[in-house]
Amino acid sequence: QKEVEQNSGPLSVPEGAIASLNCTYSDRGSQSFFWYRQYSGKSPELIMSIYSNGDKEDGRFTAQLNKASQYVSLLIRDSQPSDSATYLCAVNGPTGANSKLTFGKGITLSVRP
Amino acid sequence: DARVTQTPRHKVTEMGQEVTMRCQPILGHNTVFWYRQTMMQGLELLAYFRNRAPLDDSGMPKDRFSAEMPDATLATLKIQPSEPRDSAVYFCASGLKPGTSGGSRYNEQFFGPGTRLTVL
Repeated sequence: QKEVEQNSGPLSVPEGAIASLNCTYSDRGSQSFFWYRQYSGKSPELIMSIYSNGDKEDGRFTAQLNKASQYVSLLIRDSQPSDSATYLCAVNGPTGANSKLTFGKGITLSVRP
Repeated sequence: DARVTQTPRHKVTEMGQEVTMRCQPILGHNTVFWYRQTMMQGLELLAYFRNRAPLDDSGMPKDRFSAEMPDATLATLKIQPSEPRDSAVYFCASGLKPGTSGGSRYNEQFFGPGTRLTVL
């Protein structure tokens, strides 16, 4: 059973701080990793994807992947109240033709003004 | 269109009634997914299609749920008969199979706005 765990949360940070969201996965053969943001009452929105070990930066967002330790994280710098949402980690399996994603339960982030 | 669309956005029905939800994937996408989201279970994959052919429906209760893709621009999810435990938000998502012309290597999926279903 492939699992994606997001155990820390809910998370509350002050405006301007760095928010760190973590995710672990059980399938060592996983190849692709994603972070989705979901505002209350809305659909998940893809904000980051990462494929290789290391860091990937996009504006205030940085995704970090460590396949050896089987974790992926999302850092949000200079957090804004508009970043308050639930963040879903999603992982794709080892087979390139298999597009299925396994989602974690999500971490709710609250940014205090 | 560059967005996934879903209809209806909200549906309230009584137990035992048939419910049909529709999805129009992003033009050119060849993979379509149906998900259900509840507070308790989170986001669960019900079924998915590639090039209109069903690839996996193992997450779907077979006795009452059915999913089809009559053409490349329409995917449907039907529940018959509906039960109160089916109350949830149902999302459709679409993407491109890696290696498909114009697709990325990442199996990215893009979600529609969802159908909020309430079965009384």
